[in-house]
Order: sequence, then structure tokens, then C-alpha cells
Amino acid sequence: GAGVSQSPSNKVTEKGKDVELRCDPISGHTALYWYRQSLGQGLEFLIYFQGNSAPDKSGLPSDRFSAERTGGSVSTLTIQRTQQEDSAVYLCASSLAFGLAGGPGANVLTFGAGSRLTVL
Amino acid sequence: AQKVTQAQTEISVVEKEDVTLDCVYETRDTTYYLFWYKQPPSGELVFLIRRNSFDEQNEISGRYSWNFQKSTSSFNFTITASQVVDSAVYFCALSDANTGNQFYFGTGTSLTVIP
Repeated sequence: GAGVSQSPSNKVTEKGKDVELRCDPISGHTALYWYRQSLGQGLEFLIYFQGNSAPDKSGLPSDRFSAERTGGSVSTLTIQRTQQEDSAVYLCASSLAFGLAGGPGANVLTFGAGSRLTVL
Repeated sequence: AQKVTQAQTEISVVEKEDVTLDCVYETRDTTYYLFWYKQPPSGELVFLIRRNSFDEQNEISGRYSWNFQKSTSSFNFTITASQVVDSAVYFCALSDANTGNQFYFGTGTSLTVIP
């Protein structure tokens, strides 16, 4: 697609329920990232995918969080047994390439509009 | 340690004033990229600029200019003749130039331009 698409844009759920957040990156972008932004805060790194593999899961805050990516494209972030502290905007970004040989777009992240999660 | 510090949490200026947003970074990498992103009230982060660590030439794009100084590990962003549309949160970020696995974002500076 033309940009990074995220769905749903808004999700309100009850504490204890599971939620799935979807990210559709720009076509051809091999790198995909999930970040979390709490109200008025900076960006918290969650996970990074290169293709379908996740070499860096270090940012996932607990084992209630998981993510997968299939076909080198769409990614799903799943939060199980949601808690109120999970309330935040979840941002997805993708990148065409990285490294010095990657050209002018290397390491440039294109962000989606985010999925705002509210846990009641 | 890899770290980006944006000491200014909030800045308010009157329209047409110039404003500089500070960014100081720490890295152990010899080659790296520095970035600025803009997050307007609508929420979507927009890429503004990427600089290589080996290119300290300052850059100007319209009313925007960036000053990169390795000696002080700083990558400051100046908006000249600010406009209301510049009101946003601005993030400075750092990444290793050889890999794509980690980006380090500052906590952001919220800029309000008062008409």
C-alpha cells in the first residue's frame, strides 16, 4: 500500500480480554517495528521484525504480549489478559532497508497512524 | 550506552519567532544515523530528516535547519519564522547505521506556536 496501515484505529476493551492489533506495512518493506506510546510519553520499543523473524523481542513488556508476521508483510500484535496499564497508542512502522548501502531511505521509518487501546 | 536526550519538554513561542529544539545523543557506534520526526496533533509521526554520522554538513530545508556537531554529540533543529502549523511534538532519534534492529528515541519536545 501507499502507507503503513493499522487497525483498528481505536479499541476499547475490558480488563482481562485479549486484543489483536494489525499492521500492514508498505509493500516491499522488509523491516517492521512495533512501538508503544503512552499518553504524553515518548516511544517505547516493543519488537522488530526482519522478514518473518523477530531478531529483537527485547521490548515486549511481559509474556502477555506477542507478535507475529506472516508472508513478510502483515503483522499482528496480540495482548492477552489486558490490564489497564496496557492502555496506550500502539504504533507500527516499516522500513525499506537499513545500513549504509541501503540508499537514501535506509533506516527511515514510516509510521502508521496508530491503534489507540483503552482498557477499562 | 545508546541514548537520546531532549531536555526541553515543552516550548511555547509566538508566531514568527525562531525556535531551536535541542538533541543530545550518546552512542558507542562509529557509524550511525540521526533523525528528527514530527508528531502533529493528529498523531501520525512524520519523518523530517536523516543524517549520517560521517556527514556533519548542516542542512537547510525551507524554514527548517539542522545543526549536527559530533564534538558535542548534538543534532539541533531550528525552525525559522515559526508558524502555527509547526505546533507538534518533535522527536530526535538515533540508530546504528549498519543494522536496523534498534532505534533510540528521545522523549520528545512539545512545541506550541501561539498566533
